[in-house]
Amino acid sequence: AQSVTQLDSQVPVFEEAPVELRCNYSSSVSVYLFWYVQYPNQGLQLLLKYLSGSTLVKGINGFEAEFNKSQTSFHLRKPSVHISDTAEYFCAVSRFGNEKLTFGTGTRLTIIP
Amino acid sequence: EPEVTQTPSHQVTQMGQEVILRCVPISNHLYFYWYRQILGQKVEFLVSFYNNEISEKSEIFDDQFSVERPDGSNFTLKIRSTKLEDSAMYFCASRPGTGDGQPQHFGDGTRLSIL
Repeated sequence: AQSVTQLDSQVPVFEEAPVELRCNYSSSVSVYLFWYVQYPNQGLQLLLKYLSGSTLVKGINGFEAEFNKSQTSFHLRKPSVHISDTAEYFCAVSRFGNEKLTFGTGTRLTIIP
Repeated sequence: EPEVTQTPSHQVTQMGQEVILRCVPISNHLYFYWYRQILGQKVEFLVSFYNNEISEKSEIFDDQFSVERPDGSNFTLKIRSTKLEDSAMYFCASRPGTGDGQPQHFGDGTRLSIL
């Protein structure tokens, strides 16, 4: 079975500052990796995904993430955050050949004006 | 852009009553899912559905739960006799049939409150 750990439950960041949201996973088999964002009172929206190939993936809204196989990490980054980035961010994995998503506990990103 | 639609947005039900949560997946998608998120906790997988049958279910998905695709567009989750601990946000998701690793598209969820 796979598991996902998001080390930070809450991250406050000043507007226009950079941010990194951490995600580590555990799996005995190869996995696909995803970041989803949940804005208040909304569903989960895909930010970006890593399937294979280049370890640096770019997503929507200026976010990017880097897959590090040796450290089993998939940290999410943005060089300059905006008030509209305030949301909950979820890291998720699925096994090759099994589409069930396993989510982390989420990180609440709060942008300070 | 096509999206997954869930109704109702909020459902309040008495304990012991049956409840049906409805979802309209994206029209050309073939795989369908239900997840739930208890307040303050992580999103948990409940069940996946493909080709008119359950392909996988979690230990949460016991005999009180059932899923159905009654026609070509709807995908429903039924809880037969609700319990207080069923209070949660329930998310429906769908994905295309082609290609491993295709991301799932989620609806906005139904908040289920059991009294």
